[in-house]
Amino acid sequence: RKEVEQDPGPFNVPEGATVAFNCTYSNSASQSFFWYRQDCRKEPKLLMSVYSSGNEDGRFTAQLNRASQYISLLIRDSKLSDSATYLCVVNNFNKFYFGSGTKLNVKP
Amino acid sequence: EAGVAQSPRYKIIEKRQSVAFWCNPISGHATLYWYQQILGQGPKLLIQFQNNGVVDDSQLPKDRFSAERLKGVDSTLKIQPAKLEDSAVYLCASSFLRGLGYTFGSGTRLTVV
Repeated sequence: RKEVEQDPGPFNVPEGATVAFNCTYSNSASQSFFWYRQDCRKEPKLLMSVYSSGNEDGRFTAQLNRASQYISLLIRDSKLSDSATYLCVVNNFNKFYFGSGTKLNVKP
Repeated sequence: EAGVAQSPRYKIIEKRQSVAFWCNPISGHATLYWYQQILGQGPKLLIQFQNNGVVDDSQLPKDRFSAERLKGVDSTLKIQPAKLEDSAVYLCASSFLRGLGYTFGSGTRLTVV
């Protein structure tokens, strides 16, 4: 079983839509969680950390559900510039495991 | 602050040849990582350094891959000999402390033909 699993998508949404991605992880002892964004042919960049209480950064909201072992990312009011691949990352004892990413296409 | 620097940006080699990649992390970052990202997949950790010591190299194919960070700053990753399946982007990342989110360099895109 993979450490981290994501729906590869693509998610094709119109501008202004709300879209949500989920990611599941296999190790219940995982300590910390992140979402990274990766543009085509670019390196991954940290989008946000995910806290147990949930956290928000502008149009982006991240949630953690430890009981069900999943994390989510919600993007409100999608912009064309949000088109990218979103990588879920789980930290198990200082080893970071990346999901394969979920591709988002925001259309005009 | 300056980011993580990597070179070369691109490399094309024939199978069975050797290749080396270089990484200079963000100043003051003690932890350095090398990742391999095959097209359509997420990055996979190859090796993790804490200063100049190896913390984790469990996923490094040691028969052909080697890495070093002699002075606890710059690092090199070598493949010898390369195989077709080594075609990937090799990403270097660094962090101030283990366990924190880290910063990636722009990567080296390797094509083995």
